[in-house]
Parts: sequence; C-alpha cells; structure tokens
Amino acid sequence: DTEVTQTPKHLVMGMTNKKSLKCEQHMGHRAMYWYKQKAKKPPELMFVYSYEKLSINESVPSRFSPECPNSSLLNLHLHALQPEDSALYLCASSQVYTEAFFGQGTRLTVV
Amino acid sequence: GDSVTQMEGPVTLSEEAFLTINCTYTATGYPSLFWYVQYPGEGLQLLLKATKADDKGSNKGFEATYRKETTSFHLEKGSVQVSDSAVYFCALTETGANNLFFGTGTRLTVIP
Repeated sequence: DTEVTQTPKHLVMGMTNKKSLKCEQHMGHRAMYWYKQKAKKPPELMFVYSYEKLSINESVPSRFSPECPNSSLLNLHLHALQPEDSALYLCASSQVYTEAFFGQGTRLTVV
Repeated sequence: GDSVTQMEGPVTLSEEAFLTINCTYTATGYPSLFWYVQYPGEGLQLLLKATKADDKGSNKGFEATYRKETTSFHLEKGSVQVSDSAVYFCALTETGANNLFFGTGTRLTVIP
C-alpha cells in the first residue's frame, strides 16, 4: 500500500462554517505534511508533523488548525475561512528525511 | 536559504521529441533532489530522485543527474508521448530536514 488517502475530494464551505480535512496513510511513515496549492503555483508548505509532534508551522493563520491523532492520521480543521483560502490542499507523508508521497488533494472552495 | 529555480514554461513539443526541463538549486548543505509530476486535477507523484552528487534518477524513460559542480538536476526524456502532458516540479530537501522546497513548475504539453 503506497497510498495517501485524502477526504473529501471536494469541499464547499461558507465563511462561518467549521469543517475538517482528513488524511490517512498506512506506509509506516512518521512524517506528515499539509501543503496549500493555488492554481498554476507550486505547493506551499503549511505544517509538518514528525513522530506525531508539530515540527514546522510556516506562519499559517490560526483559522487553520492541524491535528495528528496518531501516526497514520492527519487532520486539518478549518474555521472562519476567507475566499482567498480557496485552493487545493495536499497531504503528504514520508519516512523522516526522505521523499514525500502525496495524496490526490482536497479542492476547497470558500464562498 | 534553500531554493529551486526552474525553467519557465509552458513547453509545447511534438510527440517523440526530446525533452529537457532545466532545474538549478541553491542549498547550504547536501540536499536530496526530486522531480514530481502533476497531472490535471490530481496530486503530485514522485517521478524520480537522487540523493547524492553524480547519482542518476530514472523512471518511465525520464532521467536526471545530480550535478553538484553546476548545482543542477535537469530532467530529460528522449521521446515524449501525449500522455506525458503535465506540470513538472523540481524539488529539494536538505539532509536532516523535513521541508520540501519546490520550483515554480513547468507545464509540458505534447501534441500528436
């Protein structure tokens, strides 16, 4: 199993909603990542968890809240988002300090 | 800081043409280098990697060689197919770091 699974694939939410993005991997990887990708741009790193502890937070606004309940799961909780937060949100995982494997992404639209 | 500079696109080629996408990097240590590919509407797939100088990564007919002396990791393919149409990202990660830095991406379109 070499997959990173993200749910949902598409999400439309209002600016007052609370929603969560989910990511799961069963490759035994101990690092997990959230990236944000705007159209025609490269992915931008948001958060890194290493051994279930937050190790990198790239100055992301507090309306994005990551959570790593265990070594296989990664969540991104969303609250009071703005229309400019609409993007493709990518989850990835890796063994520590090696290549990352990406999920298919969640396409988020904030209305 | 670490960075990746990638050839500006878009690139349009005829089927069976030779492909080169240039990538150069700046890093303070000894990075690992990667090429990722993104097909329309999908996530990123690892295409190939190289972890030390003079390593050659290869996969699906694509190749790239880690050149420390020129700080480059150019992607090549001898004969492209329509199915290779995608966006290609060069990326690096520093030894002992969990941060993957991406280039700006190069959109490749292959026409029959």
